[in-house]
Amino acid sequence: GAGVSQSPSNKVTEKGKDVELRCDPISGHTALYWYRQRLGQGLEFLIYFQGNSAPDKSGLPSDRFSAERTGESVSTLTIQRTQQEDSAVYLCASRGRGAKLETQYFGPGTRLLVL
Amino acid sequence: SQQGEEDPQALSIQEGENATMNCSYKTSINNLQWYRQNSGRGLVHLILIRSNEREKHSGRLRVTLDTSKKSSSLLITASRAADTASYFCATQAAGNKLTFGGGTRVLVKP
Repeated sequence: GAGVSQSPSNKVTEKGKDVELRCDPISGHTALYWYRQRLGQGLEFLIYFQGNSAPDKSGLPSDRFSAERTGESVSTLTIQRTQQEDSAVYLCASRGRGAKLETQYFGPGTRLLVL
Repeated sequence: SQQGEEDPQALSIQEGENATMNCSYKTSINNLQWYRQNSGRGLVHLILIRSNEREKHSGRLRVTLDTSKKSSSLLITASRAADTASYFCATQAAGNKLTFGGGTRVLVKP
């Protein structure tokens, strides 16, 4: 089946504007993660959704960041009043059931540039 | 904060040579995973080793885990130009979050 998809692939915005990033997980995957990756660095965990449980928001860097997920489908990461330091690749991953419980499947990411 | 720290940060080798990179972490884990990333985009899962395992193989990949030293190594044997990528270790403790290291950039020259 299809993998994790993200849109847009690239987003250029002006400082102070809001942006919405979308993630479509693999169908049937109950868990969904958002990460941020700054240039040349590793991934920073942002937020984790698991089924109908309350999301783990412990990685969100400020209250300008929020995310929603509808059931076990699409998720949207919103960054309000963007700052230049928000420029990064935002990666989404989903995780399924069964033997590969621990493996996360990543989307191609959204490259965000805040001018 | 980054749980895993990879070493070296960058590695350049000739095609056919072996590439070894290391990962150290700080807290107890359930498993450690290695991922590959091409061109700064999505990551691809390579291999997972559980805390009660010491060594695991997958094709040309060999992973070791030493929980007493809180370290892991990834060996790529007989490297190919297509192995050029960044490699990340990620640890999973209680719960379902993965904590990633800063990565090792590997360049395989033809």
